[in-house]
Amino acid sequence: GQQLNQSPQSMFIQEGEDVSMNCTSSSIFNTWLWYKQDPGEGPVLLIALYKAGELTSNGRLTAQFGITRKDSFLNISASIPSDVGIYFCAGPPVGANNLFFGTGTRLTVIP
Amino acid sequence: GAVVSQHPSWVICKSGTSVKIECRSLDFQATTMFWYRQFPKQSLMLMATSNEGSKATYEQGVEKDKFLINHASLTLSTLTVTSAHPEDSSFYICSARALAGVQYEQYFGPGTRLTVT
Repeated sequence: GQQLNQSPQSMFIQEGEDVSMNCTSSSIFNTWLWYKQDPGEGPVLLIALYKAGELTSNGRLTAQFGITRKDSFLNISASIPSDVGIYFCAGPPVGANNLFFGTGTRLTVIP
Repeated sequence: GAVVSQHPSWVICKSGTSVKIECRSLDFQATTMFWYRQFPKQSLMLMATSNEGSKATYEQGVEKDKFLINHASLTLSTLTVTSAHPEDSSFYICSARALAGVQYEQYFGPGTRLTVT
């Protein structure tokens, strides 16, 4: 099956610090999506990327579609306590009709 | 916009009984709805994909006779867990893709936590 590996698995950071995480796949994607999931909730779409090299921001979040089309990156600047949660990358491999999810990065922000 | 609701948000049932979970797209029409299952500290695993008015497509390893999916309208899909067993206890999350709009953007419901005793 499709493998989407996220790194790091978990992060503990101080409030105000910047965060970087990435997602790599074994095959090419045409779309990359980044979601955040709070405990006991469904994932919420943060950013969508549609072409290689694309860099898109949503407030303090910035995501990039890797030029190889096999990876994507998410950065969070000046983290705040409400950034706590699990961040998932997701996407449909070329030719697929549904989303595959990454393994997730669990973020903890220490006030 | 793009709100998806699920009902119930949590349910406890006895082993052997059936449970129905509803998923609704509140402010858009969904061509396709998806059902995921998530175990503690794990990622979301796709169970099945359903298009309005047609049979659901199940992922490998998911029993279609156990997890009945009905996508009766462009705003409603239901998942029925039949003859539930404790190992079916999990967090079930539905997702919907808009009829119009950007391809592959899926919006998720808040999830339903099922506990089978």
